[in-house]
Amino acid sequence: KQEVTQIPAALSVPEGENLVLNCSFTDSAIYNLQWFRQDPGKGLTSLLLIQSSQREQTSGRLNASLDKSSGRSTLYIAASQPGDSATYLCAASHTSGTYKYIFGTGTRLKVLA
Amino acid sequence: EAEVAQSPRYKITEKSQAVAFWCDPISGHATLYWYRQILGQGPELLVQFQDESVVDDSQLPKDRFSAERLKGVDSTLKIQPAELGDSAMYLCASSPGVGSYGYTFGSGTRLTVV
Repeated sequence: KQEVTQIPAALSVPEGENLVLNCSFTDSAIYNLQWFRQDPGKGLTSLLLIQSSQREQTSGRLNASLDKSSGRSTLYIAASQPGDSATYLCAASHTSGTYKYIFGTGTRLKVLA
Repeated sequence: EAEVAQSPRYKITEKSQAVAFWCDPISGHATLYWYRQILGQGPELLVQFQDESVVDDSQLPKDRFSAERLKGVDSTLKIQPAELGDSAMYLCASSPGVGSYGYTFGSGTRLTVV
């Protein structure tokens, strides 16, 4: 059974820092990996989707990489801003069955002004 | 930009009452998902539809939960009777299909059972 773990569970950094959020999964037979942002009491906003043939994706100050062999993905946020404060969730879909996404428990990020 | 619509945004209900949530996916998206997210945890899949058919409801508590997508477009998730432990965020997502696609989520319905 696929399990997705995110470390750290919470992170507080001063504005301007570059930071890395980690996501690990137990079954390397994943198809896609997607990173989401969730503001308190809100739904999930898709940030980056790494499809099966890809190893990384970039959008603005965000870069996500995927290493299936080691069972890890990282989300890199450059020059963090207070507006980046949110919970970041990763989700992995399996190569078989219904391709449903399994979510981690998230990293709560607070960027201090 | 196309969105997944959910209603209501918030719902407070008494224990043992019935409650229903509605989701309208992005037009043309064949696959629809209902997830439940308990505070402080990641979302967990309750049911997945491909068009009007259920393809995964292994984690749906079928004694009290039901879901339908009769015409393969919008969907309704129902709980009857509601229990205190059902308090959570109920999230709907859609995708063009299964496989190489990502999800688009709606804003969710926050359910509080008192």
